[in-house]
Amino acid sequence: QKEVEQDPGPLSVPEGAIVSLNCTYSNSAFQYFMWYRQYSRKGPELLMYTYSSGNKEDGRFTAQVDKSSKYISLFIRDSQPSDSATYLCAMRFTNAGKSTFGDGTTLTVKP
Amino acid sequence: NAGVTQTPKFQVLKTGQSMTLQCAQDMNHNSMYWYRQDPGMGLRLIYYSASEGTTDKGEVPNGYNVSRLNKREFSLRLESAAPSQTSVYFCASTEAQGNEKLFFGSGTQLSVL
Repeated sequence: QKEVEQDPGPLSVPEGAIVSLNCTYSNSAFQYFMWYRQYSRKGPELLMYTYSSGNKEDGRFTAQVDKSSKYISLFIRDSQPSDSATYLCAMRFTNAGKSTFGDGTTLTVKP
Repeated sequence: NAGVTQTPKFQVLKTGQSMTLQCAQDMNHNSMYWYRQDPGMGLRLIYYSASEGTTDKGEVPNGYNVSRLNKREFSLRLESAAPSQTSVYFCASTEAQGNEKLFFGSGTQLSVL
């Protein structure tokens, strides 16, 4: 069983839709939770990160962590075609240098 | 500001050939990483260097070697390439081990025939 499981997708939505991207994990010691966005033929870039449980909002993006359920989500409001990319969740133990990544969900937002 | 620079961008090798993937960062970061990305398998850590002078194995180190040449440069070597090493390779860096923000290069697409 993988430590981090991500909804596989692909996901296709119309412009303006609310998108929910999700990951579950098995190791309760994870403390830092990240979402990376990866455009085609590019390296991933950090989009959001949260520490422990709770919500974090940045513009149209909201990251949510529920440690009791070992479940994290990324919500995208008013989705745009420019949001079309692969989204990778990642998580780390506190003070560890290695991130464990999910397999990614490919999102397409259609105009 | 170039960030993380990887060379080459594309490479085709025959089974058994060797090659070195180069990575350099200009952000004065201490920690550097090599990942491979295969379809449907996300990013898997090959090797990392927490600081200049140190290297450690990641999740999938077999068939690879690394060298942290100096603070800026971290190279990945395939001594005898195998078709199973066909993948996209990403180098990443971060300010220090324990910092959550990884900066990635644009990747090297490697095919081993």
